[in-house]
Amino acid sequence: QQPVQSPQAVILREGEDAVINCSSSKALYSVHWYRQKHGEAPVFLMILLKGGEQKGHEKISASFNEKKQQSSLYLTASQLSYSGTYFCGTKRGSSNFGNEKLTFGTGTRLTIIP
Amino acid sequence: DAGVTQSPTHLIKTRGQQVTLRCSPKSGHDTVSWYQQALGQGPQFIFQYYEEEERQRGNFPDRFSGHQFPNYSSELNVNALLLGDSALYLCASSFGRGETQYFGPGTRLLVL
Repeated sequence: QQPVQSPQAVILREGEDAVINCSSSKALYSVHWYRQKHGEAPVFLMILLKGGEQKGHEKISASFNEKKQQSSLYLTASQLSYSGTYFCGTKRGSSNFGNEKLTFGTGTRLTIIP
Repeated sequence: DAGVTQSPTHLIKTRGQQVTLRCSPKSGHDTVSWYQQALGQGPQFIFQYYEEEERQRGNFPDRFSGHQFPNYSSELNVNALLLGDSALYLCASSFGRGETQYFGPGTRLLVL
């Protein structure tokens, strides 16, 4: 079942903050965040695992509420380069080797203006 | 360190034809997943290959088939193309049962 993302779109001025939410009706093993710019491939941002482990390689923070099956991506002091569509992908399962299928939401389009 | 590569970048076919898309995983990765992304939508999981076998499959018809080679590269084949198959096809690679998937640049397929 596809996770639901909110908002669908947001426009910010450079330097403002944004929060993008992702929720699922099913128990999740992990939540994956990607950013995709127009005409390009999705770029990995962050993964949050059940149990609290968090992995990422950019200066972006996120949270994962296992009880509510919700994740939020926090973008602070936004830069022009943050523009793009943000997707959350979810994996179901309860074991360490969760269901391998990654199911993506419909995306949140973020536009940063100078 | 080479990332995920895909070929061709663009492809135009007509209805009923068959197409083969190719993917080479990131160095050190042995698992390949294929996704279809329609315009304005998130990627939809087609299937995943590991150790040359299809490990899991999404809700796609049998017209969609794949293969993984001993060097971990992979092919996606689509038979009897329909107009609705027009999309960006993305390949993502990962290591074993590792969590992080890295995407290639995609192949944009247009079916006329």
